[in-house]
Amino acid sequence: DIVMTQSPDSLAVSLGERATINCKSSQSVFSSSDSKNYLLWYQQKSGQPPSTLIYWASTRESGVPDRFSGNGSATNFTLTITSLQAEDVAVYYCQQYYTTPYTFGQGTKLEIK
Amino acid sequence: QLQLQESGPGLVKPSETLSLTCDVSGGSISPYYWTWIRQPPGKGLEWIGYIYYTGRTKYNPSLRSRVTFSVDTSKNQFSLQLTSVTAADTAVYYCARGGGGVDHWGQGTLVTVSS
Repeated sequence: DIVMTQSPDSLAVSLGERATINCKSSQSVFSSSDSKNYLLWYQQKSGQPPSTLIYWASTRESGVPDRFSGNGSATNFTLTITSLQAEDVAVYYCQQYYTTPYTFGQGTKLEIK
Repeated sequence: QLQLQESGPGLVKPSETLSLTCDVSGGSISPYYWTWIRQPPGKGLEWIGYIYYTGRTKYNPSLRSRVTFSVDTSKNQFSLQLTSVTAADTAVYYCARGGGGVDHWGQGTLVTVSS
């Protein structure tokens, strides 16, 4: 199985500042056949189901604010939230869908400092 | 607007079978993949597997011997059965649309395994 490791486990950032979450996969999730990284980011607010933020490592889901961005390739990925808003408090997960079983990172809890 | 709703018993006894159904409204179950994901209380997410609208399935090997998915296109729903449950199967179970990444989630249903 591909192991997904996120860092840090928790993060406190001031309102209006930048938050960066890292995700590392134990093997590449890049497909040379279609030049895509099979990596997703989800946001899960307290008491709610996850919602999809970014797919193909860097494509924002419809309706997601542009302060959310994803970058990276192969085994190293980042989710960046510029200008943190109060409503961004949540747990963030990365997930690889390159090969089954699809696997998730352990989650990063983002709070307001 | 696509909506997914999980339903089923909230309490299951150890060694029995957990059965859940996901009703899809606001859209058709075809031609999509549909996924089950679970989340133990206070913990992270675990992919259980997916089913295509044709009935083709892919399961997590860690659960393959105990899990079965089915789909009923006439009712626009799909289902999960997990046999021989233990306390370790206590979790919020989510149904979602998609095979790899998912784009729509149900609200989730908590299933507790306890005698």
